Amino acid sequence: GENVEQHPSTLSVQEGDSAVIKCTYSDSASNYFPWYKQELGKRPQLIIDIRSNVGEKKDQRIAVTLNKTAKHFSLHITETQPEDSAVYFCAASIPGAGSYQLTFGKGTKLSVIP
Amino acid sequence: NAGVTQTPKFRVLKTGQSMTLLCAQDMNHEYMYWYRQDPGMGLRLIHYSVGEGTTAKGEVPDGYNVSRLKKQNFLLGLESAAPSQTSVYFCASSWVPYNEQFFGPGTRLTVL
Repeated sequence: GENVEQHPSTLSVQEGDSAVIKCTYSDSASNYFPWYKQELGKRPQLIIDIRSNVGEKKDQRIAVTLNKTAKHFSLHITETQPEDSAVYFCAASIPGAGSYQLTFGKGTKLSVIP
Repeated sequence: NAGVTQTPKFRVLKTGQSMTLLCAQDMNHEYMYWYRQDPGMGLRLIHYSVGEGTTAKGEVPDGYNVSRLKKQNFLLGLESAAPSQTSVYFCASSWVPYNEQFFGPGTRLTVL
């Protein structure tokens, strides 16, 4: 099945700096790659997603890039703010007829230091 | 709209006891999912449903059963709880697969 590796597991940045989280996936047929943010004690929420027919997607300070050849995708957060502190999860779709599943990475705990 | 709700929020069980977790959504979503979240393990799919009356196994289905008798509800059952099932359980729903999943607030389950 699909395997998703996420790095780093923890990341500390100064407020205003950029943060990058990288995920690699194993199945080249995967075609959907969402990123979820989970604040402490809260539910995961989608912040951005990308499909395999697109190389990059931006939404204000957040961007995701996809390299299908290398089978990796990355989350970029610019001008980080304290409210960006959370655990971020990447995921990849599991290909196959009737699958409808996502495999999640183990998460990255981002701390933004004021 | 309440979105996705879960009942109960917390529960403590003794080994061997049974319980049912209820997930309800008011968004008319076809797809519903049950995940468990353990420290350092991310979210792992237990079971999911692609519509009323359907269920399918996810990554870690052993020890759990599910039912989707009504479109808006997805129940997760533990017939004989084990300490390894201590976890936070999240329900989620989506309109179509491979699109945004909306998560419930979670249920924290402890099995002693």
